[in-house]
Amino acid sequence: SYELTQPPSVSVSPGQTASVTCSGHKLGDKYTSWYQQKPGQSPVIVIYEDNKRPSGIPERFSGSNSGNTATLTISGTQAMDEADYYCQVWDSRTYVVFGGGTKVTVL
Amino acid sequence: QAQLVESGGGVVPPGGSLSLSCAASGFTFSRYAMHWVRQAPGKGLEWVAFIRYDGNSIYYADSVKGRFTISRDNSKNTLYLQMNSLRPEDTAVYYCAKDRDELVPAHLFDYWGRGTLVTVSS
Repeated sequence: SYELTQPPSVSVSPGQTASVTCSGHKLGDKYTSWYQQKPGQSPVIVIYEDNKRPSGIPERFSGSNSGNTATLTISGTQAMDEADYYCQVWDSRTYVVFGGGTKVTVL
Repeated sequence: QAQLVESGGGVVPPGGSLSLSCAASGFTFSRYAMHWVRQAPGKGLEWVAFIRYDGNSIYYADSVKGRFTISRDNSKNTLYLQMNSLRPEDTAVYYCAKDRDELVPAHLFDYWGRGTLVTVSS
């Protein structure tokens, strides 16, 4: 079955850039989405098709995907960006796959 | 604006059954694939099941295959999840989620419900 691996945690200072990685076999051949989930809330999509932002998502959120790694980048990180982030792909055999999630802490 | 409201969660003993519902509004339900996704307490997201807009294509995660059944009633704008032979490891918040694209699924989720908690315990 297809698997996605994320670091458990990432720390960033306010105003700095946070990078969250997601690794999987030939991940660059698939479209990756990213979801933000704050405590007690439902997930919200912040990036889809590797690098597209849904309407209403701030420009400071961006994404890339190449080789075996997709990356969610938060530029000028704000306190409100503190949350868990999950990558997600569709695989023809495993269907929908989520990464284990990364807790982004704004120190 | 799409809205999804889950119901039916509760406490059930191991081996028991439970049926979840998800009432959809604010979009043409019959034109979109739908999914169930769950989250165990303090854990990450786990995809559970998918159903195509017309109900003619269904997929399950291996962890629930043979025990859970996803279905939909487009006349009632409602998605269902019948859960049988429940195990303690099925304890989770269950979310219904709307697929982003009409008719041909994108397999990503643009709207989520608030979830309903299922606890499997004696």
